[in-house]
Amino acid sequence: ETGVTQSPTHLIKTRGQQVTLRCSSQSGHNTVSWYQQALGQGPQFIFQYYREEENGRGNFPPRFSGLQFPNYSSELNVNALELDDSALYLCASSPGMRDRVSPLHFGNGTRLTVT
Amino acid sequence: GENVEQHPSTLSVQEGDSAVIKCTYSDSASNYFPWYKQELGKRPQLIIDIRSNVGEKKDQRIAVTLNKTAKHFSLHITETQPEDSAVYFCAATHNNAGNMLTFGGGTRLMVKP
Repeated sequence: ETGVTQSPTHLIKTRGQQVTLRCSSQSGHNTVSWYQQALGQGPQFIFQYYREEENGRGNFPPRFSGLQFPNYSSELNVNALELDDSALYLCASSPGMRDRVSPLHFGNGTRLTVT
Repeated sequence: GENVEQHPSTLSVQEGDSAVIKCTYSDSASNYFPWYKQELGKRPQLIIDIRSNVGEKKDQRIAVTLNKTAKHFSLHITETQPEDSAVYFCAATHNNAGNMLTFGGGTRLMVKP
């Protein structure tokens, strides 16, 4: 059984650019969540996808968008990058139903640096 | 929305001693409380979780207690070892929020040999 995998591991972008981060969920998991973890802080919820539909969103602007594919893998897209977007972006998957809590399994994250 | 406060932000203990980390939450509807351990440069890993229908759960040296009335929950690590050194995060959510966890700010635990 493979765990959650994310790519790339590190990324450097310039302010104003766009970025796409990718996540493959753990086998058998149909729910994917994305979190932003700034240095020295706890992860903050961005949004969640269940069976290819967005199923909840945190306090992030519309320039943060995502997709989930039929194989349950997912993408996080960020447009018009700002310096404050520099963070570790974590993907987590779970086998849960859309309205039932189940344990999250995190990937190793993508470290995004915006200069 | 939910707000989770975590204390202390740093905790230093001697190997073999116990460590206790405390969290409070604001949303009385929250009913699932996981704890994650994050070592430097690594992913958060679930170490234990508790649901609101029980008051305590134990797994070897780790235990979690929940007080729904006071809206606080705690992580207890006994017989600490140097490999317990990491940042620990508490979180809270409820069924209607799916897996949208609200995390505390984290506790850096240092276990001195």
